[in-house]
Amino acid sequence: KAGVTQTPRYLIKTRGQQVTLSCSPISGHRSVSWYQQTPGQGLQFLFEYFSETQRNKGNFPGRFSGRQFSNSRSEMNVSTLELGDSALYLCASSSGVGARGDTQYFGPGTRLTVL
Amino acid sequence: QQPVQSPQAVILREGEDAVINCSSSKALYSVHWYRQKHGEAPVFLMILLKGGEQKGHEKISASFNEKKQQSSLYLTASQLSYSGTYFCGTERAGGTSYGKLTFGQGTILTVHP
Repeated sequence: KAGVTQTPRYLIKTRGQQVTLSCSPISGHRSVSWYQQTPGQGLQFLFEYFSETQRNKGNFPGRFSGRQFSNSRSEMNVSTLELGDSALYLCASSSGVGARGDTQYFGPGTRLTVL
Repeated sequence: QQPVQSPQAVILREGEDAVINCSSSKALYSVHWYRQKHGEAPVFLMILLKGGEQKGHEKISASFNEKKQQSSLYLTASQLSYSGTYFCGTERAGGTSYGKLTFGQGTILTVHP
């Protein structure tokens, strides 16, 4: 089975711009969770989608949004980028609902740099 | 609330053992352990569920003390490939945290020849 894929792998943007990141889960997985990873804050939960519905949301401003399509692929969008948004954005998929009793498989991440 | 991992870093020689701990102040449903190497995605190691069920790699062992809301990851006879940052992710029992993982700050493990 192919693993979780994320595109693009690297992205450079300037402050004020917006960005869209994409995640394709493992075939058959219906749940996609997004995380932001920075050296200072570690791995922080952004949101989780299951069957096109956002089920959980972390403590991030409204500039961070996401959606999931009927084929389980997910996108996250960050509007009005700030320098502090520079991070590795990871998505993870699972066959169940989020991490409930099941393995979450992580993708390679998208490295976002905001200048 | 973020779980607390200890130690923050550990240095071993090949063949030595290590224990990494993860502690939460909240009642937990499950604890997930991952290892991440520099520049790579976190890789799943183990899940420990409330009630005693475990799923994970054969060569990895861990425990979950439900009374103390603590989990420990045991790395025995360490190999160079064990080097990396170990994260525990905790899922709270009940409420709106169903399926949501909160990760600790990580433990950096370095194994030398």
